[in-house]
Amino acid sequence: GAVVSQHPSRVICKSGTSVKIECRSLDFQATTMFWYRQFPKQSLMLMATSNEGSKATYEQGVEKDKFLINHASLTLSTLTVTSAHPEDSSFYICSAVPGTSASSYEQYFGPGTRLTVT
Amino acid sequence: QKEVEQNSGPLSVPEGAIASLNCTYSDRGSQSFFWYRQYSGKSPELIMFIYSNGDKEDGRFTAQLNKASQYVSLLIRDSQPSDSATYLCAVNQKVTFGIGTKLQVIP
Repeated sequence: GAVVSQHPSRVICKSGTSVKIECRSLDFQATTMFWYRQFPKQSLMLMATSNEGSKATYEQGVEKDKFLINHASLTLSTLTVTSAHPEDSSFYICSAVPGTSASSYEQYFGPGTRLTVT
Repeated sequence: QKEVEQNSGPLSVPEGAIASLNCTYSDRGSQSFFWYRQYSGKSPELIMFIYSNGDKEDGRFTAQLNKASQYVSLLIRDSQPSDSATYLCAVNQKVTFGIGTKLQVIP
């Protein structure tokens, strides 16, 4: 149980284009999902907290207009990187918290999406 | 001071030995602590979580928490080459991760 999927697993796009990444909890409902970014040899950095039915909460320094998050259902959150640039190239990972309460922080991670912007 | 600190390693242990991974955190109000394993190029996988002071055992893994010292550790008994990975300590206060400790188990 507690399986989280991400799509696509890898994407290469041209500078200036937008890319959408999907995160799905396959066998549980998740009111809360998190989006992380990980650069090589660095730890996961939380970008935003995605809450079903409400606006995402962004961490300091993360541009909400560039990284659009939509959490339309209890099993799906999407991250859209708008007007991507080479510096946005990174490993994007989502996680989901089982249950309808965010009091549990037992996150389950998706397999990640490697974005390369050329 | 970083919110969650780990030695980045690598920590090398021979096969069959006990690997000891350590983590300290800065916020005394932290309540939940997690250990994740991350293989190169993959996303993290939850190994254990601990909420109360003391030890929690699950198979070859033991998590130890000392809130007074703001210290959490992970012991891996009978280390196997397949345990070679980066181990991330996470504290739920604002979901903060340490940089991770790279473990190398030498056959």
